Amino acid sequence: EPEVTQTPSHQVTQMGQEVILRCVPISNHLYFYWYRQILGQKVEFLVSFYNNEISEKSEIFDDQFSVERPDGSNFTLKIRSTKLEDSAMYFCASSPTGGGTIYFGEGSWLTVV
Amino acid sequence: GIQVEQSPPDLILQEGANSTLRCNFSDSVNNLQWFHQNPWGQLINLFYIPSGTKQNGRLSATTVATERYSLLYISSSQTTDSGVYFCAANQGGKLIFGQGTELSVKP
Repeated sequence: EPEVTQTPSHQVTQMGQEVILRCVPISNHLYFYWYRQILGQKVEFLVSFYNNEISEKSEIFDDQFSVERPDGSNFTLKIRSTKLEDSAMYFCASSPTGGGTIYFGEGSWLTVV
Repeated sequence: GIQVEQSPPDLILQEGANSTLRCNFSDSVNNLQWFHQNPWGQLINLFYIPSGTKQNGRLSATTVATERYSLLYISSSQTTDSGVYFCAANQGGKLIFGQGTELSVKP
């Protein structure tokens, strides 16, 4: 069964450094997402991406964050100048349609020290 | 925005017992999904269920969209069912998650 793949599975970074989290969505999907889960909390929506542009973003997704689809297969989340509170599990997700099933990757655990 | 509330927040079961988890949502939704988050943090898709009832082995789910709730039934629970169960409502193309129900199944 096709799946969303994410790399790295775990990254430790120094506060202030830039981090890029990578995702390969399911190949025929058109809608891409990033979600975040701080340890012990619920999963929160960050951003949705369709037709090579952001379609919606949450208030969490400020100027520190950016997303890109640099080629036909990858979808990346860049976090500039990381802060301690950015430590979380980041999930990439994709969907064939906006209202259909959304499939999640296994997550990238980011630890900022 | 839409509010998604799950109950109970925590649940402890003896292996073999049955349970019902509830998800209430405050507004109309495009669809609803149930997930199981395993101890490694992975979100496992359980059901895509905008309305009606679906069954998958020992698990089944029912969504009554007109009354804005969904139920997840776990029968004959096993220790491997332990973890956090999330419901998430799709509104406007994005999922809004509830706070989850943490299930612990004891042998």
